[in-house]
Amino acid sequence: QVQLVQSGAEVKKPGASVKVSCKASGYTFTSYYMHWVRQAPGQGLEWMGIINPSGGSTSYAQKFQGRVTMTRDTSTSTVYMELSSLRSEDTAVYYCARDRVVVPAALLAYWGQGTLVTVSS
Amino acid sequence: EIVLTQSPATLSLSPGERATLSCRASQSVSSYLAWYQQKPGQAPRLLIYDASNRATGIPARFSGSGSGTDFTLTISSLEPEDFAVYYCQQRSNWPLITFGQGTRLEIK
Repeated sequence: QVQLVQSGAEVKKPGASVKVSCKASGYTFTSYYMHWVRQAPGQGLEWMGIINPSGGSTSYAQKFQGRVTMTRDTSTSTVYMELSSLRSEDTAVYYCARDRVVVPAALLAYWGQGTLVTVSS
Repeated sequence: EIVLTQSPATLSLSPGERATLSCRASQSVSSYLAWYQQKPGQAPRLLIYDASNRATGIPARFSGSGSGTDFTLTISSLEPEDFAVYYCQQRSNWPLITFGQGTRLEIK
């Protein structure tokens, strides 16, 4: 069965960077695009970007351009999301989510358990 | 950026009642509209895609309709486990997707 297991909670100071991992199993890693979505406490869902695990190409939401980097390691079936220049407003649960079908469709059918990132001085 | 506006913000109903949730897009998204359910402390779950197709394992009491800019998620008869937050999401300008702000469905 498809599983996405994310790294544990992080506490960071303003200005620092955080790197969250998402290890995939139960399917062919390179066949499905992966998205990152975040959710601030008590707020809605915010799409951050997408990575093609096959070639590594990415596309980011304009809001995060210049601050976010998504990468992948095909040898371990893991995708990473790194967010830099953290500020308090970046405190949120960060989710990885896999596309529903092989053809990229931006339908987020499988989700990781979420990683809480807290930014506090 | 395509903005999705959901209404109402909160909907208070009783089990067994019919729920109607709305999502309006700032420009046409054709039928590229999905709905997700999120319960407290859990990741979202895909319910409906392409406006009216139920995702795998989703009960038949959930249905979606609409096209262009106006969409509806209907839950025909509410079960206790249906009380949650619901989000719409457009994929019309893939890969740049956006979510609505959510509708909280609470027990009356």
